[in-house]
Amino acid sequence: GNSVTQMEGPVTLSEEAFLTINCTYTATGYPSLFWYVQYPGEGLQLLLKATKADDKGSNKGFEATYRKETTSFHLEKGSVQVSDSAVYFCALSPGYSSASKIIFGSGTRLSIRP
Amino acid sequence: ETGVTQTPRHLVMGMTNKKSLKCEQHLGHNAMYWYKQSAKKPLELMFVYNFKEQTENNSVPSRFSPECPNSSHLFLHLHTLQPEDSALYLCASSQTTKPDGSYGYTFGSGTRLTVV
Repeated sequence: GNSVTQMEGPVTLSEEAFLTINCTYTATGYPSLFWYVQYPGEGLQLLLKATKADDKGSNKGFEATYRKETTSFHLEKGSVQVSDSAVYFCALSPGYSSASKIIFGSGTRLSIRP
Repeated sequence: ETGVTQTPRHLVMGMTNKKSLKCEQHLGHNAMYWYKQSAKKPLELMFVYNFKEQTENNSVPSRFSPECPNSSHLFLHLHTLQPEDSALYLCASSQTTKPDGSYGYTFGSGTRLTVV
Protein backbone atom coordinates (compact mmCIF):
# COMPACT_ATOMS: atom_id res chain seq x y z
CA GLY A 1 0.00 0.00 0.00
CA ASN A 2 0.88 3.69 -0.04
CA SER A 3 2.19 5.42 3.07
CA VAL A 4 4.29 8.33 4.25
CA THR A 5 6.55 8.41 7.29
CA GLN A 6 8.05 11.65 8.55
CA MET A 7 10.24 12.46 11.49
CA GLU A 8 8.62 12.97 14.83
CA GLY A 9 8.47 16.46 16.21
CA PRO A 10 8.58 18.87 17.70
CA VAL A 11 11.76 20.24 16.20
CA THR A 12 13.20 23.35 17.84
CA LEU A 13 15.99 25.33 16.18
CA SER A 14 17.63 28.70 16.55
CA GLU A 15 17.20 31.32 13.86
CA GLU A 16 19.60 30.88 10.91
CA ALA A 17 20.13 27.19 11.68
CA PHE A 18 20.05 24.53 8.96
CA LEU A 19 16.83 22.53 8.77
CA THR A 20 16.18 18.97 7.67
CA ILE A 21 12.85 17.21 8.11
CA ASN A 22 13.03 13.61 6.98
CA CYS A 23 10.30 11.97 4.93
CA THR A 24 10.21 8.49 3.43
CA TYR A 25 7.44 6.84 1.49
CA THR A 26 6.17 3.53 0.19
CA ALA A 27 4.18 3.48 -3.00
CA THR A 28 3.35 1.39 -6.01
CA GLY A 29 3.95 3.01 -9.35
CA TYR A 30 5.22 6.56 -9.72
CA PRO A 31 3.79 8.90 -7.10
CA SER A 32 4.00 12.66 -6.97
CA LEU A 33 5.43 14.02 -3.71
CA PHE A 34 4.52 17.16 -1.80
CA TRP A 35 5.36 19.23 1.23
CA TYR A 36 2.55 21.22 2.80
CA VAL A 37 2.89 23.82 5.55
CA GLN A 38 0.29 24.80 8.14
CA TYR A 39 0.77 28.09 9.97
CA PRO A 40 -1.03 28.60 13.31
CA GLY A 41 -4.78 28.98 12.86
CA GLU A 42 -4.68 28.26 9.14
CA GLY A 43 -5.29 25.44 6.70
CA LEU A 44 -2.55 23.62 4.82
CA GLN A 45 -0.70 25.37 2.00
CA LEU A 46 1.27 23.65 -0.73
CA LEU A 47 4.94 24.49 -0.15
CA LEU A 48 6.58 22.52 -2.96
CA LYS A 49 6.19 19.43 -5.06
CA ALA A 50 8.07 17.00 -7.31
CA THR A 51 6.46 14.73 -9.84
CA LYS A 52 9.23 12.38 -10.92
CA ALA A 53 12.50 10.89 -9.74
CA ASP A 54 15.40 13.33 -9.31
CA ASP A 55 13.10 16.36 -9.55
CA LYS A 56 13.84 19.08 -7.01
CA GLY A 57 10.95 21.12 -5.68
CA SER A 58 11.75 24.52 -4.19
CA ASN A 59 9.92 27.51 -2.72
CA LYS A 60 10.66 30.23 -0.13
CA GLY A 61 14.18 28.87 0.40
CA PHE A 62 12.94 25.33 1.08
CA GLU A 63 14.04 22.43 -1.13
CA ALA A 64 13.29 18.73 -1.43
CA THR A 65 14.59 16.19 -3.95
CA TYR A 66 12.61 13.16 -5.09
CA ARG A 67 14.92 10.21 -4.43
CA LYS A 68 13.49 7.01 -5.84
CA GLU A 69 16.46 4.87 -4.83
CA THR A 70 16.00 5.75 -1.15
CA THR A 71 12.24 6.45 -1.39
CA SER A 72 12.80 9.77 0.33
CA PHE A 73 11.74 13.41 -0.02
CA HIS A 74 13.54 15.24 2.79
CA LEU A 75 12.76 18.92 3.33
CA GLU A 76 15.73 21.27 3.78
CA LYS A 77 16.37 24.94 4.32
CA GLY A 78 19.75 26.54 4.75
CA SER A 79 18.81 29.29 7.20
CA VAL A 80 15.49 29.21 9.03
CA GLN A 81 13.58 32.25 10.28
CA VAL A 82 11.13 32.70 13.14
CA SER A 83 8.39 33.03 10.53
CA ASP A 84 9.06 29.42 9.42
CA SER A 85 7.54 28.15 12.67
CA ALA A 86 4.68 25.92 11.55
CA VAL A 87 3.66 22.30 11.08
CA TYR A 88 5.07 20.61 7.97
CA PHE A 89 3.36 17.69 6.24
CA CYS A 90 4.95 15.35 3.73
CA ALA A 91 2.46 13.80 1.30
CA LEU A 92 2.17 11.65 -1.79
CA SER A 93 -0.30 11.24 -4.60
CA PRO A 94 -0.39 7.71 -5.98
CA GLY A 95 -0.08 8.84 -9.58
CA TYR A 96 -3.43 8.13 -11.09
CA SER A 97 -6.50 10.28 -11.46
CA SER A 98 -10.17 10.01 -10.43
CA ALA A 99 -9.88 11.88 -7.12
CA SER A 100 -7.31 9.49 -5.69
CA LYS A 101 -6.68 10.80 -2.24
CA ILE A 102 -3.39 12.30 -1.21
CA ILE A 103 -1.69 10.39 1.61
CA PHE A 104 -0.40 12.73 4.34
CA GLY A 105 2.27 12.10 6.92
CA SER A 106 1.55 12.84 10.57
CA GLY A 107 3.15 16.29 10.47
CA THR A 108 6.27 17.74 12.10
CA ARG A 109 5.96 20.82 14.28
CA LEU A 110 8.84 23.24 13.81
CA SER A 111 9.59 26.03 16.29
CA ILE A 112 12.29 28.60 15.61
CA ARG A 113 13.83 30.56 18.51
CA PRO A 114 14.91 34.18 17.86
CA GLU B 1 -6.99 34.37 -0.14
CA THR B 2 -6.39 30.68 -0.83
CA GLY B 3 -9.15 30.18 -3.41
CA VAL B 4 -11.08 27.91 -1.04
CA THR B 5 -13.31 29.74 1.43
CA GLN B 6 -14.74 28.12 4.54
CA THR B 7 -17.40 29.58 6.79
CA PRO B 8 -17.72 30.05 9.64
CA ARG B 9 -14.13 30.26 10.91
CA HIS B 10 -15.21 29.38 14.44
CA LEU B 11 -18.30 27.56 15.69
CA VAL B 12 -19.41 26.62 19.18
CA MET B 13 -22.42 24.32 19.36
CA GLY B 14 -24.26 22.29 21.92
CA MET B 15 -24.70 18.56 21.58
CA THR B 16 -28.36 18.94 20.58
CA ASN B 17 -27.81 21.66 17.98
CA LYS B 18 -27.88 21.37 14.22
CA LYS B 19 -25.39 23.44 12.25
CA SER B 20 -23.71 23.40 8.86
CA LEU B 21 -20.22 24.14 7.64
CA LYS B 22 -19.81 25.64 4.20
CA CYS B 23 -16.97 25.40 1.70
CA GLU B 24 -16.76 27.24 -1.61
CA GLN B 25 -14.16 27.22 -4.39
CA HIS B 26 -14.03 29.04 -7.70
CA LEU B 27 -10.83 27.45 -8.97
CA GLY B 28 -12.57 25.27 -11.54
CA HIS B 29 -11.71 22.17 -9.54
CA ASN B 30 -13.94 19.14 -9.82
CA ALA B 31 -13.09 17.29 -6.60
CA MET B 32 -13.75 18.43 -3.03
CA TYR B 33 -12.81 16.89 0.29
CA TRP B 34 -13.60 17.15 4.00
CA TYR B 35 -10.81 16.48 6.51
CA LYS B 36 -10.86 16.42 10.30
CA GLN B 37 -7.78 17.61 12.16
CA SER B 38 -7.68 16.86 15.89
CA ALA B 39 -4.90 17.77 18.27
CA LYS B 40 -2.03 15.28 18.20
CA LYS B 41 -3.70 13.06 15.57
CA PRO B 42 -3.03 12.69 11.86
CA LEU B 43 -5.28 14.32 9.30
CA GLU B 44 -8.40 12.20 8.83
CA LEU B 45 -10.04 12.12 5.43
CA MET B 46 -13.82 12.09 5.91
CA PHE B 47 -15.47 12.45 2.52
CA VAL B 48 -14.51 12.80 -1.15
CA TYR B 49 -16.69 14.20 -3.91
CA ASN B 50 -15.76 14.07 -7.57
CA PHE B 51 -18.02 15.86 -10.07
CA LYS B 52 -20.65 16.19 -7.31
CA GLU B 53 -20.74 12.45 -6.64
CA GLN B 54 -19.56 11.06 -3.34
CA THR B 55 -16.72 8.65 -4.04
CA GLU B 56 -15.46 8.03 -0.53
CA ASN B 57 -16.86 7.90 2.99
CA ASN B 58 -14.26 6.79 5.49
CA SER B 59 -16.60 5.23 8.05
CA VAL B 60 -17.73 8.62 9.27
CA PRO B 61 -20.56 8.58 11.87
CA SER B 62 -23.97 9.50 10.52
CA ARG B 63 -24.09 12.61 12.71
CA PHE B 64 -21.89 14.12 9.95
CA SER B 65 -23.82 14.49 6.70
CA PRO B 66 -22.11 15.93 3.61
CA GLU B 67 -23.81 17.65 0.71
CA CYS B 68 -22.34 18.70 -2.63
CA PRO B 69 -24.93 20.55 -4.75
CA ASN B 70 -22.38 21.48 -7.43
CA SER B 71 -18.64 21.27 -8.04
CA SER B 72 -18.07 24.66 -6.37
CA HIS B 73 -19.84 24.10 -3.07
CA LEU B 74 -19.57 21.56 -0.30
CA PHE B 75 -21.42 21.44 2.99
CA LEU B 76 -21.04 19.42 6.15
CA HIS B 77 -24.25 19.19 8.15
CA LEU B 78 -23.80 18.50 11.83
CA HIS B 79 -26.30 17.17 14.35
CA THR B 80 -26.16 15.65 17.84
CA LEU B 81 -22.38 15.89 17.96
CA GLN B 82 -20.19 14.74 20.82
CA PRO B 83 -17.43 16.67 22.61
CA GLU B 84 -14.82 14.44 20.92
CA ASP B 85 -15.96 15.85 17.58
CA SER B 86 -14.35 19.16 18.52
CA ALA B 87 -11.62 19.73 15.93
CA LEU B 88 -10.52 21.80 12.96
CA TYR B 89 -12.52 20.81 9.89
CA LEU B 90 -10.70 21.45 6.66
CA CYS B 91 -12.10 21.57 3.17
CA ALA B 92 -9.90 21.05 0.12
CA SER B 93 -10.36 20.96 -3.62
CA SER B 94 -8.36 19.63 -6.54
CA GLN B 95 -8.35 19.15 -10.26
CA THR B 96 -8.43 15.47 -11.07
CA THR B 97 -8.10 15.39 -14.80
CA LYS B 98 -4.32 15.15 -14.79
CA PRO B 99 -3.34 11.51 -15.16
CA ASP B 100 -0.11 11.84 -13.21
CA GLY B 101 -1.66 12.85 -9.90
CA SER B 102 0.49 15.96 -9.68
CA TYR B 103 -2.38 18.34 -9.03
CA GLY B 104 -2.15 18.66 -5.25
CA TYR B 105 -4.89 20.07 -3.08
CA THR B 106 -5.90 23.63 -2.26
CA PHE B 107 -7.09 23.91 1.33
CA GLY B 108 -9.37 26.36 3.03
CA SER B 109 -8.47 27.92 6.38
CA GLY B 110 -10.78 25.58 8.24
CA THR B 111 -13.62 25.84 10.72
CA ARG B 112 -12.63 25.47 14.36
CA LEU B 113 -15.53 23.55 15.90
CA THR B 114 -16.10 23.27 19.64
CA VAL B 115 -18.86 21.00 20.92
CA VAL B 116 -20.01 21.79 24.44
